[in-house]
Amino acid sequence: DAGITQSPRHKVTETGTPVTLRCHQTENHRYMYWYRQDPGHGLRLIHYSYGVKDTDKGEVSDGYSVSRSKTEDFLLTLESATSSQTSVYFCAISAGNGYTFGSGTRLTVV
Amino acid sequence: SQQGEEDPQALSIQEGENATMNCSYKTSINNLQWYRQNSGRGLVHLILIRSNEREKHSGRLRVTLDTSKKSSSLLITASRAADTASYFCATDARRDDKIIFGKGTRLHILP
Repeated sequence: DAGITQSPRHKVTETGTPVTLRCHQTENHRYMYWYRQDPGHGLRLIHYSYGVKDTDKGEVSDGYSVSRSKTEDFLLTLESATSSQTSVYFCAISAGNGYTFGSGTRLTVV
Repeated sequence: SQQGEEDPQALSIQEGENATMNCSYKTSINNLQWYRQNSGRGLVHLILIRSNEREKHSGRLRVTLDTSKKSSSLLITASRAADTASYFCATDARRDDKIIFGKGTRLHILP
């Protein structure tokens, strides 16, 4: 979607390795979010940010950390990837009137 | 924990018919939003209805909100093949600007 990009689009990694997903926005929005989407669970919030260096946990934050050193970038790190973290990860930004989502990152942990 | 729950989980209708999906939620909300997700893509925001609104329209979409019943419905009129997608409701229950999604309704429009 225009204004928000995620990288990489696909990644396969081994159990136990660290992985970082990147979300980049050009809209200068304050709020950014990371969700994961799994069959039968819908979208679940991992972490979110309400400003540079201001982040908070969502409902499924264990095993994940985030960083936001610039308004435009929100990084999600899997500190030591596990098979249960195989999922599709979506980043979103909010201007207060609805979210705009990125195209997602499909992560497979083998 | 899931705030919104969509019903039905899956729906198949003939092209040209109307499609209705429902969403129920548990706590008081500031607003409720509907999103569409095509297969393999990100979610697209369709419409936002605030807690003091009862009905809202956008093209072929009509959303209603009943805060006394803690429920909302999304009506798509004159369905088209391109409407085949998953539809999610999301609720903003607090003032920290984060929303919680339901599990979605999979809509399939038959030719």
